[in-house]
Formats: sequence, C-alpha cells, structure tokens
Amino acid sequence: AQSVAQPEDQVNVAEGNPLTVKCTYSVSGNPYLFWYVQYPNRGLQFLLKYITGDNLVKGSYGFEAEFNKSQTSFHLKKPSALVSDSALYFCAVRVLGGATNKLIFGTGTLLAVQP
Amino acid sequence: DAGITQSPRHKVTETGTPVTLRCHQTENHRYMYWYRQDPGHGLRLIHYSYGVKDTDKGEVSDGYSVSRSKTEDFLLTLESATSSQTSVYFCAISEPTGATQYFGPGTRLTVL
Repeated sequence: AQSVAQPEDQVNVAEGNPLTVKCTYSVSGNPYLFWYVQYPNRGLQFLLKYITGDNLVKGSYGFEAEFNKSQTSFHLKKPSALVSDSALYFCAVRVLGGATNKLIFGTGTLLAVQP
Repeated sequence: DAGITQSPRHKVTETGTPVTLRCHQTENHRYMYWYRQDPGHGLRLIHYSYGVKDTDKGEVSDGYSVSRSKTEDFLLTLESATSSQTSVYFCAISEPTGATQYFGPGTRLTVL
C-alpha cells in the first residue's frame, strides 16, 4: 500500500539553529513528493516538490528537501530556523493510477521554534 | 489561497440536517478535490473531480456527495450530517500536467 509517514508529531528547535522535519514514503514507481506548510487557521501552502533530477530541492522561505531513494525519505530542512517558521508541516506523495493526481498526506509535524 | 474561495468559512449545524459546502476557483484548473482535516489523520481525500460532471470517490467518501456543473464550482454535500463529520474541510485544485495541488482557506464545520 502506498503511504507517507511523518514519525515526529512535534519538532522543537531554537531560533537560528538548523531544523529537520522527517518524512518517509512507500509508493509504487517513481515518487512525486511534496511539502506543504499550514499556519494557524489557514489553508495549506505549497513549499516544494521533487519529481526528478537533483536530489536536493529548494523551495519557498529558505526551505529545502533532500530526496533519498535508498532510504525512501524526503526530509525537509532549513539551515537557520526563524520563529515565524513555527507551523504545521505536511509531507505528501502522489498516488499513481486513476484519473487524476491524488495525493496521500502524512499526519503532519508541528514545528515550534523558540526565540 | 489566491484564486480559491470556500463558503461558508464557518458553520454550526445539527445532526441530521443537510449541509452544502462550496468551492469556487478563478484559475480555470481542471481538477478539484475535497479533503477533510482531523487531528492525527492529516488530510484525507473525500471526493475529487477531473472535469465538469466527472467525479470520483476518495478514501473517506461515505456520507458525502459532490457535484460539479461548472469548471469553477465544486460542491460538497452532507446529506444528513453526523457528529463524526465535524471537521475542517479543504478544497484544492490542480492542473492535469502538474501534480501540485493548491488549497483554499478551509471551512470549519461543527455538527452538534
């Protein structure tokens, strides 16, 4: 079965420190992988995606993600965290088959950046 | 959220009443989706549409129906609301050639 796992419900990091939010996946074929961010009482905002090419993908707000095929992972990273990065982060994978681009989402990781 | 609106943004209703949520887009995207967001479950797909009058079920479609009579509008109907349908509902859109989905601001539904 195709799935996405975010093993940490919450990640705490001090402002200025690097951050990592973990994501692993299980999917048939080549994966399309996504990261979204959700601020309180808002919809999800697209951060970045991996389809093919360079394993290091750069996205919005200084975030990047590293695709690792052997470990089936797509961890989100940022070199220096900001308090304003505090939000809920979702990893997602595209499901093959059917008439459209369906996504399966992880359960989300709450990032808390302390000043 | 640009180009996607959802109405109403908040609704409180009683068990057994019908409820319709509306998603409206100005992007002319072919694909539209309805998700629900619940703690511990992330987002789960309810129904989706791949064109006018073309819809299909997602993973949690029981108790929900949808309609799409125009490219820009995708309606989600709870025929007889239950407390288990208390949730935040999100609409999303995408183009066929790209997998990225773009989300609306959400509707918070409470069923008493």
